[in-house]
Amino acid sequence: EAGVAQSPRYKIIEKRQSVAFWCNPISGHATLYWYQQILGQGPKLLIQFQNNGVVDDSQLPKDRFSAERLKGVDSTLKIQPAKLEDSAVYLCASSLGGRGEGTDTQYFGPGTRLTVL
Amino acid sequence: GIQVEQSPPDLILQEGANSTLRCNFSDSVNNLQWFHQNPWGQLINLFYIPSGTKQNGRLSATTVATERYSLLYISSSQTTDSGVYFCAVSWYNNNDMRFGAGTRLTVKP
Repeated sequence: EAGVAQSPRYKIIEKRQSVAFWCNPISGHATLYWYQQILGQGPKLLIQFQNNGVVDDSQLPKDRFSAERLKGVDSTLKIQPAKLEDSAVYLCASSLGGRGEGTDTQYFGPGTRLTVL
Repeated sequence: GIQVEQSPPDLILQEGANSTLRCNFSDSVNNLQWFHQNPWGQLINLFYIPSGTKQNGRLSATTVATERYSLLYISSSQTTDSGVYFCAVSWYNNNDMRFGAGTRLTVKP
Protein backbone atom coordinates (compact mmCIF):
# COMPACT_ATOMS: atom_id res chain seq x y z
CA GLU A 1 0.00 0.00 0.00
CA ALA A 2 1.44 3.37 -1.02
CA GLY A 3 1.95 5.88 1.76
CA VAL A 4 1.24 9.59 1.88
CA ALA A 5 3.08 11.41 -0.91
CA GLN A 6 4.32 14.98 -0.70
CA SER A 7 6.18 17.29 -3.04
CA PRO A 8 8.50 19.03 -3.26
CA ARG A 9 10.76 17.60 -0.56
CA TYR A 10 12.74 20.82 -0.22
CA LYS A 11 12.05 24.44 -1.11
CA ILE A 12 14.10 27.59 -0.62
CA ILE A 13 12.46 30.96 -1.26
CA GLU A 14 12.98 34.57 -0.31
CA LYS A 15 10.62 36.38 2.05
CA ARG A 16 7.52 37.83 0.43
CA GLN A 17 7.57 35.15 -2.29
CA SER A 18 4.82 32.57 -2.68
CA VAL A 19 5.11 28.80 -2.36
CA ALA A 20 2.80 25.81 -2.71
CA PHE A 21 3.01 22.27 -1.39
CA TRP A 22 1.18 19.21 -2.65
CA CYS A 23 -0.07 16.14 -0.80
CA ASN A 24 -1.64 12.90 -2.00
CA PRO A 25 -3.08 10.86 0.89
CA ILE A 26 -3.33 7.11 1.23
CA SER A 27 -5.99 5.78 -1.13
CA GLY A 28 -9.39 5.66 0.53
CA HIS A 29 -8.49 7.99 3.38
CA ALA A 30 -11.22 10.55 3.87
CA THR A 31 -9.42 12.77 6.36
CA LEU A 32 -6.36 14.84 5.45
CA TYR A 33 -4.27 17.03 7.75
CA TRP A 34 -1.56 19.64 7.24
CA TYR A 35 0.92 20.22 10.06
CA GLN A 36 3.74 22.69 10.57
CA GLN A 37 6.81 21.46 12.43
CA ILE A 38 9.30 24.10 13.53
CA LEU A 39 12.79 22.86 14.35
CA GLY A 40 12.94 21.34 17.84
CA GLN A 41 9.17 21.22 18.32
CA GLY A 42 6.37 18.77 17.76
CA PRO A 43 4.09 19.17 14.74
CA LYS A 44 1.23 21.66 15.02
CA LEU A 45 -2.03 21.15 13.15
CA LEU A 46 -2.79 23.86 10.58
CA ILE A 47 -5.90 22.47 8.88
CA GLN A 48 -7.99 19.31 8.73
CA PHE A 49 -10.20 18.21 5.83
CA GLN A 50 -12.93 15.58 5.84
CA ASN A 51 -13.35 14.68 2.16
CA ASN A 52 -13.37 18.13 0.53
CA GLY A 53 -14.73 20.06 3.52
CA VAL A 54 -12.75 21.90 6.19
CA VAL A 55 -13.24 20.45 9.68
CA ASP A 56 -10.76 22.59 11.61
CA ASP A 57 -8.63 25.53 10.46
CA SER A 58 -8.47 27.39 13.75
CA GLN A 59 -4.65 27.43 13.80
CA LEU A 60 -4.17 28.37 10.15
CA PRO A 61 -2.80 31.94 9.71
CA LYS A 62 -5.45 32.81 7.16
CA ASP A 63 -3.93 36.15 6.19
CA ARG A 64 -1.14 34.30 4.37
CA PHE A 65 -1.90 30.57 4.38
CA SER A 66 -4.56 28.83 2.31
CA ALA A 67 -5.35 25.20 1.57
CA GLU A 68 -7.75 23.33 -0.62
CA ARG A 69 -8.85 19.78 -1.32
CA LEU A 70 -11.18 20.31 -4.24
CA LYS A 71 -11.97 16.71 -5.23
CA GLY A 72 -11.61 15.18 -1.79
CA VAL A 73 -8.35 13.43 -2.68
CA ASP A 74 -5.12 15.40 -3.02
CA SER A 75 -4.54 18.78 -1.42
CA THR A 76 -2.41 21.89 -1.80
CA LEU A 77 -1.17 24.26 0.90
CA LYS A 78 -0.08 27.73 -0.15
CA ILE A 79 1.80 30.50 1.61
CA GLN A 80 1.56 33.99 0.17
CA PRO A 81 3.60 36.02 1.04
CA ALA A 82 6.12 33.99 3.02
CA LYS A 83 7.82 35.31 6.16
CA LEU A 84 11.07 34.25 7.78
CA GLU A 85 9.18 32.54 10.60
CA ASP A 86 7.45 30.22 8.12
CA SER A 87 10.69 28.24 7.81
CA ALA A 88 9.65 24.78 8.94
CA VAL A 89 8.78 21.29 7.75
CA TYR A 90 5.25 21.01 6.42
CA LEU A 91 3.80 17.58 7.02
CA CYS A 92 0.73 16.04 5.46
CA ALA A 93 -1.09 13.18 7.14
CA SER A 94 -4.19 11.14 6.39
CA SER A 95 -6.56 8.82 8.22
CA LEU A 96 -9.49 6.64 7.22
CA GLY A 97 -11.99 8.75 9.09
CA GLY A 98 -15.14 7.24 10.51
CA ARG A 99 -16.20 5.89 13.87
CA GLY A 100 -14.53 2.52 14.12
CA GLU A 101 -11.61 1.65 16.40
CA GLY A 102 -8.39 3.04 15.01
CA THR A 103 -9.97 4.77 12.01
CA ASP A 104 -8.49 8.04 13.22
CA THR A 105 -4.93 6.64 13.18
CA GLN A 106 -2.87 9.22 11.31
CA TYR A 107 -0.17 8.31 8.76
CA PHE A 108 2.38 10.94 7.80
CA GLY A 109 4.13 11.80 4.58
CA PRO A 110 7.86 12.62 4.36
CA GLY A 111 7.27 16.37 4.62
CA THR A 112 8.44 19.43 2.73
CA ARG A 113 11.31 21.36 4.29
CA LEU A 114 10.80 25.09 3.61
CA THR A 115 13.56 27.64 4.11
CA VAL A 116 12.63 31.31 3.83
CA LEU A 117 15.62 33.65 3.38
CA GLY B 1 -6.55 23.02 25.30
CA ILE B 2 -5.11 19.69 26.23
CA GLN B 3 -1.51 19.66 27.50
CA VAL B 4 0.93 16.89 26.57
CA GLU B 5 4.19 16.49 28.45
CA GLN B 6 6.91 14.03 27.58
CA SER B 7 9.86 12.95 29.65
CA PRO B 8 12.76 12.80 29.61
CA PRO B 9 13.51 15.41 26.93
CA ASP B 10 16.79 13.71 26.08
CA LEU B 11 18.05 10.18 26.61
CA ILE B 12 21.42 8.67 25.74
CA LEU B 13 21.79 4.89 25.88
CA GLN B 14 24.37 2.29 25.12
CA GLU B 15 23.30 -0.26 22.54
CA GLY B 16 21.48 -3.15 24.21
CA ALA B 17 20.06 -1.10 27.06
CA ASN B 18 16.36 -0.77 27.87
CA SER B 19 14.43 2.48 28.28
CA THR B 20 11.05 3.87 29.27
CA LEU B 21 9.58 7.04 27.80
CA ARG B 22 6.64 8.74 29.45
CA CYS B 23 3.76 10.85 28.16
CA ASN B 24 1.39 12.69 30.51
CA PHE B 25 -1.77 14.36 29.24
CA SER B 26 -4.14 16.71 30.96
CA ASP B 27 -7.58 15.52 29.82
CA SER B 28 -9.50 12.46 28.63
CA VAL B 29 -8.45 11.32 25.18
CA ASN B 30 -9.91 9.10 22.50
CA ASN B 31 -6.75 8.81 20.43
CA LEU B 32 -3.16 8.42 21.53
CA GLN B 33 -0.37 7.57 19.15
CA TRP B 34 3.35 7.09 19.57
CA PHE B 35 5.56 8.09 16.66
CA HIS B 36 9.26 7.77 15.88
CA GLN B 37 10.74 10.60 13.83
CA ASN B 38 13.86 9.31 12.16
CA PRO B 39 16.90 11.48 11.36
CA TRP B 40 15.45 12.17 7.90
CA GLY B 41 12.31 13.66 9.44
CA GLN B 42 9.85 10.88 8.59
CA LEU B 43 7.23 10.31 11.28
CA ILE B 44 6.58 6.61 11.64
CA ASN B 45 3.59 5.17 13.46
CA LEU B 46 4.58 2.97 16.36
CA PHE B 47 1.32 2.46 18.24
CA TYR B 48 -2.29 3.54 18.27
CA ILE B 49 -3.02 3.07 21.96
CA PRO B 50 -5.74 5.18 23.64
CA SER B 51 -5.86 2.52 26.37
CA GLY B 52 -4.37 -0.85 27.27
CA THR B 53 -1.11 -2.50 26.30
CA LYS B 54 0.37 -3.42 22.94
CA GLN B 55 3.63 -5.00 21.86
CA ASN B 56 5.49 -4.98 18.57
CA GLY B 57 8.84 -6.72 18.65
CA ARG B 58 11.21 -4.88 20.96
CA LEU B 59 8.71 -2.08 21.52
CA SER B 60 5.70 -2.06 23.77
CA ALA B 61 3.35 0.61 25.05
CA THR B 62 0.89 0.97 27.88
CA THR B 63 -1.72 3.67 28.34
CA VAL B 64 -3.55 4.11 31.63
CA ALA B 65 -6.32 6.42 30.49
CA THR B 66 -7.83 6.90 33.96
CA GLU B 67 -4.49 8.22 35.23
CA ARG B 68 -3.72 10.13 32.03
CA TYR B 69 -0.36 8.74 31.08
CA SER B 70 1.25 6.45 28.54
CA LEU B 71 4.58 4.67 28.57
CA LEU B 72 6.70 3.49 25.67
CA TYR B 73 9.20 0.72 26.40
CA ILE B 74 12.19 0.04 24.19
CA SER B 75 14.13 -3.12 24.97
CA SER B 76 17.57 -4.13 23.70
CA SER B 77 17.98 -0.76 21.98
CA GLN B 78 19.78 -0.51 18.65
CA THR B 79 21.47 2.44 16.96
CA THR B 80 18.60 2.55 14.46
CA ASP B 81 16.26 3.40 17.35
CA SER B 82 17.86 6.84 17.53
CA GLY B 83 15.63 9.79 16.74
CA VAL B 84 12.80 11.68 18.39
CA TYR B 85 9.82 9.89 19.92
CA PHE B 86 6.55 11.81 19.98
CA CYS B 87 3.37 11.17 21.85
CA ALA B 88 0.26 12.74 20.30
CA VAL B 89 -3.30 12.82 21.60
CA SER B 90 -6.70 14.00 20.55
CA TRP B 91 -9.76 14.25 22.69
CA TYR B 92 -13.40 13.44 22.30
CA ASN B 93 -15.19 15.08 19.35
CA ASN B 94 -11.96 16.67 18.23
CA ASN B 95 -9.40 15.22 15.83
CA ASP B 96 -6.85 17.99 16.49
CA MET B 97 -3.82 15.87 17.43
CA ARG B 98 -1.69 17.63 20.03
CA PHE B 99 1.92 16.58 20.07
CA GLY B 100 4.29 16.62 23.00
CA ALA B 101 7.72 18.18 22.64
CA GLY B 102 9.27 14.75 22.12
CA THR B 103 12.04 12.67 23.66
CA ARG B 104 15.30 12.71 21.72
CA LEU B 105 16.91 9.27 21.97
CA THR B 106 20.52 8.63 21.05
CA VAL B 107 21.72 5.04 21.06
CA LYS B 108 25.50 4.68 20.99
CA PRO B 109 27.24 1.61 19.57
